[in-house]
Order: sequence, then structure tokens, then C-alpha cells
Amino acid sequence: GESVGLHLPTLSVQEGDNSIINCAYSNSASDYFIWYKQESGKGPQFIIDIRSNMDKRQGQRVTVLLNKTVKHLSLQIAATQPGDSAVYFCAEFRVDTGFQKLVFGTGTRLLVSP
Amino acid sequence: KAGVTQTPRYLIKTRGQQVTLSCSPISGHRSVSWYQQTPGQGLQFLFEYFSETQRNKGNFPGRFSGRQFSNSRSEMNVSTLELGDSALYLCASSPLLAGGRETQYFGPGTRLLVL
Repeated sequence: GESVGLHLPTLSVQEGDNSIINCAYSNSASDYFIWYKQESGKGPQFIIDIRSNMDKRQGQRVTVLLNKTVKHLSLQIAATQPGDSAVYFCAEFRVDTGFQKLVFGTGTRLLVSP
Repeated sequence: KAGVTQTPRYLIKTRGQQVTLSCSPISGHRSVSWYQQTPGQGLQFLFEYFSETQRNKGNFPGRFSGRQFSNSRSEMNVSTLELGDSALYLCASSPLLAGGRETQYFGPGTRLLVL
């Protein structure tokens, strides 16, 4: 199925390290992106979003970077904690044949070791 | 403010049966979207409803349908179930104040198993 691509399916880090999760998208016309976190047995939880008129946006311990030139975005998590262990999805707001929808990447599993 | 709620949380059906899933959006949210999540295909968009009208749809067969009520609650229906319909069905709502490009907030999902 269609999807926004991810570079790494699993990322293992030590507690306290900084984590970087990457995402590539294909539609240069996309202008809105969201990162979600999904823990086992739960629905995706909103983390942070960014619009295409921005290159960087910061939240609490998280930063999203958007590089429109190479159609790439990343999620940086500072001082990663065991509670950050989850699957992370990037989502691209795409307009396709008149329909608007969020298209999700395949996800990256983040494993945080104590 | 209560989050998105979905019922039931778990469901077991057999091939050929039909199923109806329910979603209550966050209070004040007018848009409801449905997604199917499977290990093989990931998160796939099914459809979106706004003001009781289907505004957007994904690439799913006609066996998948939905509706939205005047209170923004939504249901989706899958008829003639197939084994491949086993998945986590997620509902998401958004206020739709900014012309569509808004955060969608997800419910916990309904896990459907088709035997």
C-alpha cells in the first residue's frame, strides 16, 4: 500500500541518549506532517506536527526537523526514557484525486534500554 | 475533555458475517476518520466523514462503508467479512477549524479477528 517511507524499522538506544527517527516522503506538494507514537494495545498518540512553512518545531523533549529540499523529516527525542519505547509513525497530509487524507509511514520501533 | 472512544474494543467474527464498529469523537470535533491497521499494510486510510457526509475515501472495496450521525458519532460497517479483514480499526477525530490540515486524535481502536 502507499506509505511514507522510513529508513530504519527498529532503533535501540540507552536511557538518557538522544534518539533520532527519520522519515522520507514522496509528495513535494505535501504541506503538513505529524509524528505519532503508538504503544502496544493503544491507538496512535499525537506528538508534534509541522507545516511546510517551517523547518523546525520544538516541543517538550521533542524536535521535528523538515527538509523540503530532500523531502525528509526527522523526530528527535532528547534524554530518551524507557517510557518512550513505542512505534513512531510519521504522517503526511496528502491531497490525491481531490481527496485529502493522512498517509502514514510504516513506523519505527524505538527500544530504550535502562 | 474525554478522548475518542471506540466500541467494542475486541470482536471475533466468522467469514461471511458483517460487523459494525462505533466511534464517538472528542466533544466539539466534527470530522471523523477511519483507518485499518495491519502488520502487513500498516495504517491505511478508509474514509472520512464531516457533517454526516463522506468527504474522503481510501482504496478499499465497497464492503467497507460508514456513516456519521448529527452528533458527529460515526459507525463503520464491513459486510461479507474475509480473513484479511482481521485488523485493528482506528477512529480519529479533528475539529476541522483550519480547512483540513489539522491534528487527528485517535481512539484506542477495535481489534477485529475474522475466523
